[in-house]
Amino acid sequence: QAQLQQSGPGLVKPSQALSLTCAISGDSVASDSTAWNWIRQSPSRGLEWLGRAYYRSKWYNEYAPSVKSRITINPDTSKNQFSLQLNSVTPEDTAVYYCARGYALHSWGQGTMVTVSS
Amino acid sequence: DIVMTQSADSLAVSLGERATLNCKSSQSVFSSSNNKSYLAWHQQKPGQPPKLLIYWASTRESGVPDRFSGSGSGTDFTLTISSLQAEDVAIYYCQQYYSNPFTFGGGTKVEIK
Repeated sequence: QAQLQQSGPGLVKPSQALSLTCAISGDSVASDSTAWNWIRQSPSRGLEWLGRAYYRSKWYNEYAPSVKSRITINPDTSKNQFSLQLNSVTPEDTAVYYCARGYALHSWGQGTMVTVSS
Repeated sequence: DIVMTQSADSLAVSLGERATLNCKSSQSVFSSSNNKSYLAWHQQKPGQPPKLLIYWASTRESGVPDRFSGSGSGTDFTLTISSLQAEDVAIYYCQQYYSNPFTFGGGTKVEIK
């Protein structure tokens, strides 16, 4: 069973970029049978899927329309991990961020509480 | 967006009794290409990430106790806990992975009566 380990800062200033990384063990980020997701959870918005990356002979991304103009999910095959970058953050982006594997989200990272505040 | 509605915010059930949780999608999440409903159920305990219990509406994830079962198709789905155990106290979320954005219900909190 794949395991996911998240890392990244817990505090980001408004207007700056949020960056998180998800390291994968027990699977490959370049697997052609799964996908790699970012989800966040807050009291006001509940669970919100943000986007995913997957490899099918080439790399593809899908992003939620609510964040599409601000988000990038990048795989890193050399380190077997993938990352989230969310630009121009506001306090509304304060949430617990999770990475997850698969279409039905079979495995989840431990979560990272990210606070957007000056 | 497909809106996922879980009709009960909370549910109190006695130990050993059956718990039935409902979830409704605003559009069908069934695909005729593979005859599957793109519906998952997740369990979340305090301070933990969600954990997948059921996918394809009725397929139990490996390692999940068989007291958990999923049913339904199209737009109406049910998660059943056949005999509630103390460790089942949690919030349960349904999630569709049929179309972008993949959306979650608001959750049903299961408690012991």
